[in-house]
Amino acid sequence: KAGVTQTPRYLIKTRGQQVTLSCSPISGHRSVSWYQQTPGQGLQFLFEYFSETQRNKGNFPGRFSGRQFSNSRSEMNVSTLELGDSALYLCASSPSGQGGLGEQFFGPGTRLTVL
Amino acid sequence: KQEVTQIPAALSVPEGENLVLNCSFTDSAIYNLQWFRQDPGKGLTSLLLIQSSQREQTSGRLNASLDKSSGRSTLYIAASQPGDSATYLCAADSGYSTLTFGKGTMLLVSP
Repeated sequence: KAGVTQTPRYLIKTRGQQVTLSCSPISGHRSVSWYQQTPGQGLQFLFEYFSETQRNKGNFPGRFSGRQFSNSRSEMNVSTLELGDSALYLCASSPSGQGGLGEQFFGPGTRLTVL
Repeated sequence: KQEVTQIPAALSVPEGENLVLNCSFTDSAIYNLQWFRQDPGKGLTSLLLIQSSQREQTSGRLNASLDKSSGRSTLYIAASQPGDSATYLCAADSGYSTLTFGKGTMLLVSP
């Protein structure tokens, strides 16, 4: 069974631009979560989607948004990029995410650098 | 708001030693606790998942315990090997797959 895949693996953008990251979950998994990892703040939860609905959102500005498609693939978008958005963005999938019973499986991440 | 703390932040041991990594969390209302391993520049690899109703889980040389009442979990690594060198992260799931992570323990096992 293929694992969680994320594209692209690396991105370089300049301030003010926007970016879209993609995540394909493990086949059969319906819950997709996104996390931002920086050296200073560690891993922080961005949002979680289940069956195309955002069920939970972390404490990030509205520049960060996401969506999930009917095939469970998910995208996240960051608009008006700032230098502080440079980070490793990780996507995780889980069979159901209901009641927290599902084990989370992470992808390799997308390394975003904002210049 | 859930907060997760991991101690120590870094650990260096010679090969063959048994070691314990500690994780504490402030809100005991968790659904599960998961331990991960992260190699430099890579994603997270799931090691063990402990459901809230369980007390421990074992996988090979790894054993993780959970004490919800005291807000603590430990990861025990037996007979450490150089290949175990990585950052170990614990994460508490408070619902809807929302994981709160600790800052991790960076482990170095020297030959």
